[in-house]
Amino acid sequence: QQQVKQSPQSLIVQKGGISIINCAYENTAFDYFPWYQQFPGKGPALLIAIRPDVSEKKEGRFTISFNKSAKQFSLHIMDSQPGDSATYFCAASWGAQKLVFGQGTRLTINP
Amino acid sequence: EAGVAQSPRYKIIEKRQSVAFWCNPISGHATLYWYQQILGQGPKLLIQFQNNGVVDDSQLPKDRFSAERLKGVDSTLKIQPAKLEDSAVYLCASSSTGPGNEQFFGPGTRLTVL
Repeated sequence: QQQVKQSPQSLIVQKGGISIINCAYENTAFDYFPWYQQFPGKGPALLIAIRPDVSEKKEGRFTISFNKSAKQFSLHIMDSQPGDSATYFCAASWGAQKLVFGQGTRLTINP
Repeated sequence: EAGVAQSPRYKIIEKRQSVAFWCNPISGHATLYWYQQILGQGPKLLIQFQNNGVVDDSQLPKDRFSAERLKGVDSTLKIQPAKLEDSAVYLCASSSTGPGNEQFFGPGTRLTVL
């Protein structure tokens, strides 16, 4: 019940395309859903986060869509750029403290 | 503002040896976390400190792992003795106290156990 399942494991998108990564959770106590971006040799960095009282949040080219009834949320990257190539992790927590991470998606943007 | 600092960045040891990692969180951050990230997986929380007290260590293998946060600032994570399966990146993160507090991660220590 503590798991967050993420898909796909890897994703290749052409430059300018839309990258979509999906996550699903079971624990309805989760109240904070962040997405982290990680480059090789670096620690994860917060990209964007959402709380379950809204269905969508947009920051620049990055959008989180949240479906509370389905217990799913997804990250959309519009106009994907080669610099977006990284590993992306969804996560969930309660009380914005203990984070449970998904397995990660390695995104490659082809120029 | 300086980020989370960790050292060493890389460590290679033989199995059954001991190893220690050090973390200096962002100044003023009361909460400190240690995560284990095995290659190809997401980070897994090992232990969470609030100031110098342990909040959650439910996933810390206490027969070989120990951690402390003296004076509520720096923290060390120790493994003794190390096993092959401990090969991973050990990430330290910190956050300020309060709702919606973002966790800031350090660059991690990559441990290889031979």
